[in-house]
Amino acid sequence: TQLLEQSPQFLSIQEGENLTVYCNSSSVFSSLQWYRQEPGEGPVLLVTVVTGGEVKKLKRLTFQFGDARKDSSLHITAAQPGDTGLYLCAGAGAGGTSYGKLTFGQGTILTVHP
Amino acid sequence: ETGVTQTPRHLVMGMTNKKSLKCEQHLGHNAMYWYKQSAKKPLELMFVYNFKEQTENNSVPSRFSPECPNSSHLFLHLHTLQPEDSALYLCASRHGLAGGDTQYFGPGTRLTVL
Repeated sequence: TQLLEQSPQFLSIQEGENLTVYCNSSSVFSSLQWYRQEPGEGPVLLVTVVTGGEVKKLKRLTFQFGDARKDSSLHITAAQPGDTGLYLCAGAGAGGTSYGKLTFGQGTILTVHP
Repeated sequence: ETGVTQTPRHLVMGMTNKKSLKCEQHLGHNAMYWYKQSAKKPLELMFVYNFKEQTENNSVPSRFSPECPNSSHLFLHLHTLQPEDSALYLCASRHGLAGGDTQYFGPGTRLTVL
């Protein structure tokens, strides 16, 4: 069974601060997705990282996939109240019975205060 | 708008009722998923369909019965549910085959069982 440990679970910061969310596993993933979810809505895809060591930027958000494809991080620069939400990482199985399935982290609830 | 729609968005039912959740994807994908999201728990995979065939039943109680008449539609039939089944039920789709691992989620159905 693949596990994905996401931390921190809760993050409460002031507008303008920077933050980093981590996802770690002992398993190798073929890719890793980051989603953002608002209350009562489904997760919305932010990015997919595929290659070990890959870095992707989406405006103030920077996503990194570990060299061994076992871990990932999401860094937000100068957070804004509109960034508030639940952030989920999800690793895609590398093969066998895990193919086509995602392993989700527990999620990080981010609150950015004006 | 992710290309995956779910109806109804909210459902309240008694334990003796029978109801169905509907999911439709407009992305031309071949794999569809049902997930359950409860408070303070990671997303739980329930069922997976590939090319209309069920390929995964993650030990889901028989009071949940999925149906996939074609690659674009997925249903979850509910009967004699328990209050602990109250949750957000999410549908997702994936291209399948060589189309990558990324899953796209619908907005979910918030289910309350009285």
